[in-house]
Amino acid sequence: QITLKESGPTLVKPTQTLTLTCTFSGFSFSTNAVSVGWIRQPPGKALEWLALIYWNDDKRYSPSLKNRLTITKDTSKNQVVLTMTNMDPLDTATYYCAHRLGDYSATNWFDPWGQGTLVTVSS
Amino acid sequence: DIQMTQSPSSLSASVGDRVTITCRASQSISRYLNWYQQKPGKAPKLLIYAASSLQSGVPSRFSGSGSGTDFTLTISSLQPEDFATYYCQQSYSTLTWTFGQGTKVEMK
Repeated sequence: QITLKESGPTLVKPTQTLTLTCTFSGFSFSTNAVSVGWIRQPPGKALEWLALIYWNDDKRYSPSLKNRLTITKDTSKNQVVLTMTNMDPLDTATYYCAHRLGDYSATNWFDPWGQGTLVTVSS
Repeated sequence: DIQMTQSPSSLSASVGDRVTITCRASQSISRYLNWYQQKPGKAPKLLIYAASSLQSGVPSRFSGSGSGTDFTLTISSLQPEDFATYYCQQSYSTLTWTFGQGTKVEMK
């Protein structure tokens, strides 16, 4: 059974850097061709894909946020870390991580998802 | 970027109704289209992948169809647990992935 769980601060100040950790079980970067993505959802709004990292350390970023995002993985700890710089109140959202098969096929989807963590940006 | 547009943004329906939600892509995405269900305060759940394949454990009243730019999600007989928000997502691009703006299914 695959599970993921997000962790990190619930409140950050404007201009600060956000660091979120996704800790997962049921798969491994070292034994499976998998990938993990980050998706966020502002309160009452739609889902927005942010970043994705493959088992081979290949990475993808949302073009609109590329300059502010960094995604990394720690294979030994079964973790994926997302950092977002220069946080703004508009970045207030629930941040989700999700499992995705690691191959580069377009026949692919995000499943399952973590429970999400709400991050509020306010001074 | 490939843009995904859902319609309607919201709809009101009754238990037992047939419900259809539409998703349109800004360019052809073949059949690389997924559907998710999200209930309040919960993470999205995969319902349908590759336009029409039902995810394991998802009731057969859910179905998906379409190819190219136009796709539909149909709930054949709406059940109380189906009141939720539904999102489409394209997986055609291998560089970026985009979701529709969501369709909220509310009780009439």
